[in-house]
Formats: sequence, structure tokens, C-alpha cells
Amino acid sequence: AQSVTQLDSHVSVSEGTPVLLRCNYSSSYSPSLFWYVQHPNKGLQLLLKYTSAATLVKGINGFEAEFKKSETSFHLTKPSAHMSDAAEYFCVVSDLGNQFYFGTGTSLTVIP
Amino acid sequence: DTGVSQNPRHKITKRGQNVTFRCDPISEHNRLYWYRQTLGQGPEFLTYFQNEAQLEKSRLLSDRFSAERPKGSFSTLEIQRTEQGDSAMYLCASSHPGTFVANYGYTFGSGTRLTVV
Repeated sequence: AQSVTQLDSHVSVSEGTPVLLRCNYSSSYSPSLFWYVQHPNKGLQLLLKYTSAATLVKGINGFEAEFKKSETSFHLTKPSAHMSDAAEYFCVVSDLGNQFYFGTGTSLTVIP
Repeated sequence: DTGVSQNPRHKITKRGQNVTFRCDPISEHNRLYWYRQTLGQGPEFLTYFQNEAQLEKSRLLSDRFSAERPKGSFSTLEIQRTEQGDSAMYLCASSHPGTFVANYGYTFGSGTRLTVV
């Protein structure tokens, strides 16, 4: 069975400081992993994806994530938070099927 | 605009009424998905089409729910005899016609927010 656990429901950071959003996954297969961002009243936007290539994945808007199989983790990071990063972030796992399994989300607040 | 389009954006209905939502996927995407997102939760899979064929259905899709994609292009999701528990954001997504959708990810629409009063 596939699932993800987002370890923090809310994260607050000051503008210009690093962002860390944590995600642990469970998968019976070699998983594909994604991070999506959802701004208020907007659709889900793909930030980045891991599909068994390089373990350090670079995404849009300066975000990165590192796949660590030994820790079953796929944490999302950004060196310096911007006000526009305030949104809901979802970690997602997929196996060889067509379903995506979403975490419950982490709400990121950026304090000016 | 070549994104995934959903209509309407918002729908308020009385309990017991029927509602229908529409999704227009990206034209070259042959796979289409419906997800439901309730407040404070991540999206949950409802159903999946490849072209006009409905290939997977979640247990969340009760008998009151029906989805169609008659010509392999747009899709509709109908909820009959709506209940307050149906209040949610209904998201449509489409994906590249590759072998594994996991290699490409989805492109989501902005969703239809349903409120049942």
C-alpha cells in the first residue's frame, strides 16, 4: 500500500530564512514522489518530481527535494523563503498505477 | 489557454438536488482523473478514464456518483441526491499519454467547489 505522512500541518518561517517541509512515504514498490503547491482558490501546481533518476530533485521557484530511501523521506526545502511561497504544500506518492496518494498537506506561512 | 478547465467554479445546491460538473482536459492528454478534496485534507482519488473508458473507481464513488467521458475528450461528474457530506472541492486532472503516469505527474484544474445546504 502507498501512503505519505506530512509531519507538520503548519510551518511558519520568516521571509529570507530557509524552508523545510517534511514528508515520509510508504510504498510497496519503487515509488515516484511529487510535491504540489496549492495557493488559495487556485489549482494544484506541480513543484517537482522524483522518478528514480537523481536523488536530489530541483523544482520551480527555487525548491528542492531529496529522496532518501533509507529514511523513506522526501523533504522539501528552499534556501530563502519569499512572501509568495505562502500556500498549502502536498507530498504525493505514486506506484506503477494511475492513482496518486496525497498527504494531508502542510500550510506554510511566511512572516514579513 | 491549454490548461485543464473546470466548470462551474462554485456550486451551491440544496440537499437532495442533482449536480453536474464538467472538466475539459488538455487536448493531447488521454488520461483524465477526478479527485475530491475536503477541508483540511489532501485530494482523494475518485475515478480515472483512459480515453472514453472508465478504468478505475474508488470506493468513495458511491452509487449516487457517476462519471462519463463519452468521446474521450471532456468529462462530466454527476452527483444525485446530494448530501451535506458531499460538500468538497472536486478536482479534475489530466496526464500525458505515456506508459506510466507516475513519470509525468498530473495537470490539475482549479476545481469546482460544491456546497450542499
